[in-house]
Amino acid sequence: EVQLVESGGGLLQPGGSLRLSCAASGFTFRNYAMSWVRQAPGKGLEWVSTISGNSAATYYADSVRGRFTNSRDNSKNTLYLQMNTLRVDDTAVYYCAKDLTSSWGGGPWDWGQGTLVTVSS
Amino acid sequence: EILMTQSPATLSVSPGESATLSCRASQSVGSNLAWYQQRPGQAPRLLIYGASTRATGIPARFSGSGSGTDFTLTISSLQSEDFAVYYCQQSNDWSMYTFGQGTRLEIK
Repeated sequence: EVQLVESGGGLLQPGGSLRLSCAASGFTFRNYAMSWVRQAPGKGLEWVSTISGNSAATYYADSVRGRFTNSRDNSKNTLYLQMNTLRVDDTAVYYCAKDLTSSWGGGPWDWGQGTLVTVSS
Repeated sequence: EILMTQSPATLSVSPGESATLSCRASQSVGSNLAWYQQRPGQAPRLLIYGASTRATGIPARFSGSGSGTDFTLTISSLQSEDFAVYYCQQSNDWSMYTFGQGTRLEIK
């Protein structure tokens, strides 16, 4: 059974940094692209970033490019999202998502339960 | 960026009846369209991918259709657990995945 467990969320001030983690189990992690998707309180879903299985390709939404870094450690079956220069509008639940079939991307996705990031002064 | 527009924003339907949800893309996405269900307080769950393929464990009362720019999710014989928010998502453009704004399916 696929399990994705996010951690690292919390409350921080604008301009701060945070690293989220997603521990994966139940599948061969290196064989699948992984993504981050966020959902602001009471709002819809927004794709953040996708990384290929071998880390050769990484894609970002315009809203986070240059501030967020998506990475993975296949030896630890863990996905990371380094978030820098955080803004109030980055406040959201951040979901880790596994590509259903591909190591390169293209979706669709299985999802973790999410971790809440709150940016507030 | 491919814009995804869902309609209606809210749909009120009685249990046992059918519901039809629509999703339109601003340009063709082929069959690279997925539907997700999100219940309150829960993560999204994959229902349909490739526009019409049910994900593992999804009941047959959920069906998807369409290609190009116009897509439909049909839920027949609505059960209480089906009342939720539904999102469509295109994956034709791997550099910019986009979601619709969601349709809230509520009990009439």
